[in-house]
Amino acid sequence: DSGVTQTPKHLITATGQRVTLRCSPRSGDLSVYWYQQSLDQGLQFLIQYYNGEERAKGNILERFSAQQFPDLHSELNLSSLELGDSALYFCASSVDNPLSEQFFGPGTRLTVL
Amino acid sequence: ELKVEQNPLFLSMQEGKNYTIYCNYSTTSDRLYWYRQDPGKSLESLFVLLSNGAVKQEGRLMASLDTKARLSTLHITAAVHDLSATYFCAVGRTGNQFYFGTGTSLTVIP
Repeated sequence: DSGVTQTPKHLITATGQRVTLRCSPRSGDLSVYWYQQSLDQGLQFLIQYYNGEERAKGNILERFSAQQFPDLHSELNLSSLELGDSALYFCASSVDNPLSEQFFGPGTRLTVL
Repeated sequence: ELKVEQNPLFLSMQEGKNYTIYCNYSTTSDRLYWYRQDPGKSLESLFVLLSNGAVKQEGRLMASLDTKARLSTLHITAAVHDLSATYFCAVGRTGNQFYFGTGTSLTVIP
């Protein structure tokens, strides 16, 4: 157990819908990272937040957005969902930025029908 | 965009044997990470390599980094079944961008 929690574990929804994935980092970690893992695109870095501020953007679609709240938990919002958005979404956290080891949560499996 | 190539993609090896997984990347990098992923599970951090010539070892796994060659290796010594998993390398760049390799699926056969 990494200490990073993610909810929900599974999510099934329809195309065009909007969902929110939630992540709570390890106690004391200020950085939160979001990743997408799919069969066709592999593991992709989406976005990073550090102490409430966006620090880096990767291959995040415009339909996706994220935020980190004062209590350091983070949410990833996915809107206008498409079939291709079906994937595992991982959150990771680290103590500081940018050289620290990252600890990954269990992931949220999103299925878009 | 930075490209990260791992090889082999699939590796089947006998228990007790040694083997190396290679991770090549296309441009300069600040740091190199190795992760393990068991089927249906999350990623587990194995090593973080921060400088040229860095070598880290944990049990039967040893990772090294050659920034001049843009190459990292993950060496497996005397493999055991418990090491069966998918191994990913990931490269970090200034600006906190992270790029993952395709993964190496390792199966250790008794």
